[in-house]
Formats: sequence, structure tokens, C-alpha cells
Amino acid sequence: SQTIHQWPATLVQPVGSPLSLECTVEGTSNPNLYWYRQAAGRGLQLLFYSVGIGQISSEVPQNLSASRPQDRQFILSSKKLLLSDSGFYLCAWSVDWGPRNTIYFGEGSWLTVV
Amino acid sequence: AQSVTQLDSQVPVFEEAPVELRCNYSSSVSVYLFWYVQYPNQGLQLLLKYLSGSTLVESINGFEAEFNKSQTSFHLRKPSVHISDTAEYFCAVSEDAGGTSYGKLTFGQGTILTVHP
Repeated sequence: SQTIHQWPATLVQPVGSPLSLECTVEGTSNPNLYWYRQAAGRGLQLLFYSVGIGQISSEVPQNLSASRPQDRQFILSSKKLLLSDSGFYLCAWSVDWGPRNTIYFGEGSWLTVV
Repeated sequence: AQSVTQLDSQVPVFEEAPVELRCNYSSSVSVYLFWYVQYPNQGLQLLLKYLSGSTLVESINGFEAEFNKSQTSFHLRKPSVHISDTAEYFCAVSEDAGGTSYGKLTFGQGTILTVHP
């Protein structure tokens, strides 16, 4: 069966420091990968998605970037964190492409920027 | 463009009472509908989904949702809730714009269901 791992689970970082959140998927090949952010009281917002190695699409302009160095690895980064980057970050994956596909989520990472 | 509205941000109920979590969407094309559940400090889990066929879909833990195209709704219901159902519930919609379009999921703001003993 497929599993998704995301780390670290909790992170407290000062403003201006760098960020790296990592996500890996096991049990499937060539998954579609996603990064979502859940800010308090604001639902889920899609940040990035990737359909293959080195292919990244950004949904919203922001202080963050994403990379996919390997088929089942997805990394969320920032060079300099802002207070507004605080939130719950969720990595997700899907097998199929298109509107009918089901997206499966990891356990999430809490980021607090202080 | 699609949008999703969950009409209640919080729903408190007593154990064994029925519950309905409301979800309405807006879209000019065909849609596919999902409910996800998020337990405290965890990621989201798929609860149920409507892709086609019967408009009434059920989950393994007793929840059901009915797709109502005329009212553009996909309300989630359970006839008798348990303490363990306490969680945040998210309605999500993806549009079928045809071809190889990317099926972006748009989420509602979430409804916190709290079940009291």
C-alpha cells in the first residue's frame, strides 16, 4: 500500500531564517505531488503541484519554492521566512490526473515563525 | 471559477444525535465532490466522494452525503454521532473543464464538529 511521510512534524523558526520541509511517497511510481497550506481559519490553499521530476507549478505568488529532485520526493523551501508563512503545511499525492482523481494527504508539518 | 462554502464553522452536538454539515458550491461546469476529515493535529483523510452514478454516497463509518445538482449542494450527514467523530470536516470540489485539464481541488473553510457526551 502507498504511504506518505512528511517531516519535520513541528518547526519553530525565526523570521528571516531558511525553511526546508520534506515529503516522500512510498508504494507508487510517478505520483502527482502537492503542497498545501492551512492557515488558521482559512481552509486549505494549494501552493505547488508537480507531475514529474523537476516539474513544478505554482498556484500562488509567495515567499516559498518547491523542488522535486526525485520521483517520490517533494521539498518545500524558503530562503527567508516571514511571519505570514506560519501555518500547517500538508504534502499530498495522487495517482491519476484530472478532476476525478483522489488526493491523499500526509500528516502535516506545523510551522511557527517567530 | 469554482468556490465552496461550508455554511457552519462550528457544529456542536450531543452523542447519538443526528448531524448535518452543509456544503454548497458554485461552478459553471460539471463537478466532482469530496469530503475530507481532519482529526486534531493530523493530516486530512478522504471520507467519501461523488464522481458519478448514485447521488447518495456512503463512508465506512456511517457518514453519507447526497449530491444535489439543482441546489448545488453536497451535505454530509450521520444519523447518530460518536465522540470519536469529533474533528474538522472539509468539503472539496474539482471541476471537469474537459480535455487534460488539471483537476484542482478547491476546499471549503471547514466545519468543526464537536460531539459532547
